[in-house]
Amino acid sequence: VQLVESGGGLVKPGGSLRLSCAASGFIFSTYTMNWVRQAPGKGLEWVSSFVSSGSYKYYADSVRGRFTISRDNAKNSLYLQMNSLRAEDTAVYYCARRESAFDVWGQGTMVTVSS
Amino acid sequence: DIQMTQSPSTLSASVGDRVTITCRASQNINNWLAWYQQKPGKAPKLLIYKASSLESGVPSRFSGSGSGTEFTLTISSLQPDDFATFYCQQYNSYPWTFGQGTKVEIK
Repeated sequence: VQLVESGGGLVKPGGSLRLSCAASGFIFSTYTMNWVRQAPGKGLEWVSSFVSSGSYKYYADSVRGRFTISRDNAKNSLYLQMNSLRAEDTAVYYCARRESAFDVWGQGTMVTVSS
Repeated sequence: DIQMTQSPSTLSASVGDRVTITCRASQNINNWLAWYQQKPGKAPKLLIYKASSLESGVPSRFSGSGSGTEFTLTISSLQPDDFATFYCQQYNSYPWTFGQGTKVEIK
């Protein structure tokens, strides 16, 4: 069971970035998948969830309208399209699977928003 | 939104100590409460789910208790590998929220 994030990097304020999370070792389509972020030296912040049943999507107020979560079950992949990026979006972004709680996490990908 | 408040923010303890961390929710979360351990530069690790259920593979010295709005994570005998930051999280309702974290340091 593994999650591997990619797509992070340095982007200017107002720019866009698309994060990916590749899943393996479990039936991806049956799980609610999530993004959680952690700003440097700060705590954990839930960002977004994509519920497997019903395809419901949820967002934190801090990213609603700027970020879009999506998934491709055929490719066992989760995505986070991030637009209109701000300095306060700088963080490590983790992909996490929800079973009982967030039981499987990726290693994280760093997003830095700076001019 | 449900606010999660952990105490203390920092805790100094010695190997072998019994350690207790408290998490308070701003409203009833029906025991949908998880505890995570995070070490520097690493992803969080699930320890406890549904307030008191031990995640597979987690040592039995970790335990969770509580209900409603008050929850506790207890480490019965602190080991060298346990020095880390611990977070509680409610997943009763969106937006899911985390406590601010409790750093357990070596005394």
